[in-house]
Amino acid sequence: GQNIDQPTEMTATEGAIVQINCTYQTSGFNGLFWYQQHAGEAPTFLSYNVLDGLEEKGRFSSFLSRSKGYSYLLLKELQMKDSASYLCAGVDSNYQLIWGAGTKLIIKP
Amino acid sequence: IAGITQAPTSQILAAGRRMTLRCTQDMRHNAMYWYRQDLGLGLRLIHYSNTAGTTGKGEVPDGYSVSRANTDDFPLTLASAVPSQTSVYFCASAQGGGTDTQYFGPGTRLTVL
Repeated sequence: GQNIDQPTEMTATEGAIVQINCTYQTSGFNGLFWYQQHAGEAPTFLSYNVLDGLEEKGRFSSFLSRSKGYSYLLLKELQMKDSASYLCAGVDSNYQLIWGAGTKLIIKP
Repeated sequence: IAGITQAPTSQILAAGRRMTLRCTQDMRHNAMYWYRQDLGLGLRLIHYSNTAGTTGKGEVPDGYSVSRANTDDFPLTLASAVPSQTSVYFCASAQGGGTDTQYFGPGTRLTVL
């Protein structure tokens, strides 16, 4: 079966760094997305990785290891506005997204 | 309109009633999607459309139907609502399929009593 696993909840301190992990099992693999979703709002795109390695985009970076079926989202210099859920989604062989349940990130002052 | 809109924002519905959730995008995207989001579960695909005039079934299509008469609109219909269809429904669109970024509407919160 297809499965995306990510932690349910994480807590971090304002100004710190946090890494949110995601492991995936999909039938075929055509890349992995990360989305951010604030409470009561729609998901918004953060990153897409299809090749191994780290992609940096400002305070946010995303890493992919295809051989390990593993990705992480790295958030630096955490701000209170980063409190949100972070959704990991793998693209399967039919080019459909398989979504994880999301990681709720709580930022404390 | 800028982006993707959904209506209504929220709705309380009696079981057995018919309901259509509306979704409109003005980005001329080819692909459109309907998801439901339930607490503790990931987004689950209900139906999708790769281009106007075509539709396909997602992971949880039972009890739902869609149509794609034109590029902009992708309504989702619940023929006879049941309490298990209580959820938040998101419509999304993408330029193409699969690996193109999906842009989400604001969602419709539906409660079936």
